[in-house]
Amino acid sequence: GQQLNQSPQSMFIQEGEDVSMNCTSSSIFNTWLWYKQEPGEGPVLLIALYKAGELTSNGRLTAQFGITRKDSFLNISASIPSDVGIYFCAGQVKTSYDKVIFGPGTSLSVIP
Amino acid sequence: DTGVSQNPRHKITKRGQNVTFRCDPISEHNRLYWYRQTLGQGPEFLTYFQNEAQLEKSRLLSDRFSAERPKGSFSTLEIQRTEQGDSAMYLCASSHFRREDGYTFGSGTRLTVV
Repeated sequence: GQQLNQSPQSMFIQEGEDVSMNCTSSSIFNTWLWYKQEPGEGPVLLIALYKAGELTSNGRLTAQFGITRKDSFLNISASIPSDVGIYFCAGQVKTSYDKVIFGPGTSLSVIP
Repeated sequence: DTGVSQNPRHKITKRGQNVTFRCDPISEHNRLYWYRQTLGQGPEFLTYFQNEAQLEKSRLLSDRFSAERPKGSFSTLEIQRTEQGDSAMYLCASSHFRREDGYTFGSGTRLTVV
């Protein structure tokens, strides 16, 4: 079946540093999504990517849809304490119900 | 509209008991999804509704699980004869079929089976 891999599994960084995390898949996706989840809450959509090669920004966040359509990365610039959480990449398949498949997540800790 | 609402937020139950969770999606969203998330993992798909029709079920959804969306609005997920392995966060999400920008998730129901 379709599986997503995320790296790194966890990160501990100093406030102000830039962060980069990756997601790879054995399958092609039509849409790549990046979500953030905080403890006790559901995932919140950060960025959606629709075309191979697309580079999209949302504030300090930048994400790219890989040319092969099998990978994506997320960068966070100038990290702040509220960036703490688990970041999930997700691939969306164009089917009758646009199923979304999630990766295992990257846990981000920001040291003030 | 305040987003996707799930109740209860937390549920502790004894093994063997039945539990039911409710999800109220965003009002104009005709698609509704249930996911399950265990500690340290990403959400895993359980089932999908378009309006009131349940169109897809994962193999994760055993016979003890049943989901309904009787009027195409809110949905319920029932687990019968709960087992300790059912302990997880149960997430509901909704989307509009014309939009290709992922789902909006609720805050989830945390189930603990003791």
